[in-house]
Amino acid sequence: NAGVMQNPRHLVRRRGQEARLRCSPMKGHSHVYWYRQLPEEGLKFMVYLQKENIIDESGMPKERFSAEFPKEGPSILRIQQVVRGDSAAYFCASSPTGNTIYFGEGSWLTVV
Amino acid sequence: QQQVKQSPQSLIVQKGGISIINCAYENTAFDYFPWYQQFPGKGPALLIAIRPDVSEKKEGRFTISFNKSAKQFSLHIMDSQPGDSATYFCAASMEETSGSRLTFGEGTQLTVNP
Repeated sequence: NAGVMQNPRHLVRRRGQEARLRCSPMKGHSHVYWYRQLPEEGLKFMVYLQKENIIDESGMPKERFSAEFPKEGPSILRIQQVVRGDSAAYFCASSPTGNTIYFGEGSWLTVV
Repeated sequence: QQQVKQSPQSLIVQKGGISIINCAYENTAFDYFPWYQQFPGKGPALLIAIRPDVSEKKEGRFTISFNKSAKQFSLHIMDSQPGDSATYFCAASMEETSGSRLTFGEGTQLTVNP
């Protein structure tokens, strides 16, 4: 768990602001995943990225959400014009290849 | 067809007892079935995982039982301890077509009383 680094751990945004969440995968991992966990619910897949490529974004809301994993630097999940319903824990996970994925500690977004 | 159904939603057992959590899936293309443990305020941690070519896998006090024909799998925690109190999620994925994209169950909140 400790190997996947997410920041910030907690973020408070007012409605209409932008939230930017960062994820550094474990060393040697080139696959990054973002999941969202709403209060008292399970984790829902959002997006799967490899370096410079979005492989599967079928779980991403069509508007306001975007993700990237540049050649250099962390993966970024960006939420524009946040609304109260965006309040959730956002988890990043990484894998070298194959099924075994490792989650970070999460970023808790609160929209006020 | 992508759903994974998990039960019970919550479970209370006494210390030393057996905790059993069940999951069912629809998509026969799933080929990897992990269980994750999550403590409050933390990320999910991989506990144990199984592939459909075996019917059971054991690691310490944790055992996965897998029934391919019934499309069900379960987690058994033997000699449950208060430190096992956490939320447990089953999941499933299709490695070949979706990498490690996991479909999660809704979670089971386990409480082990001392």
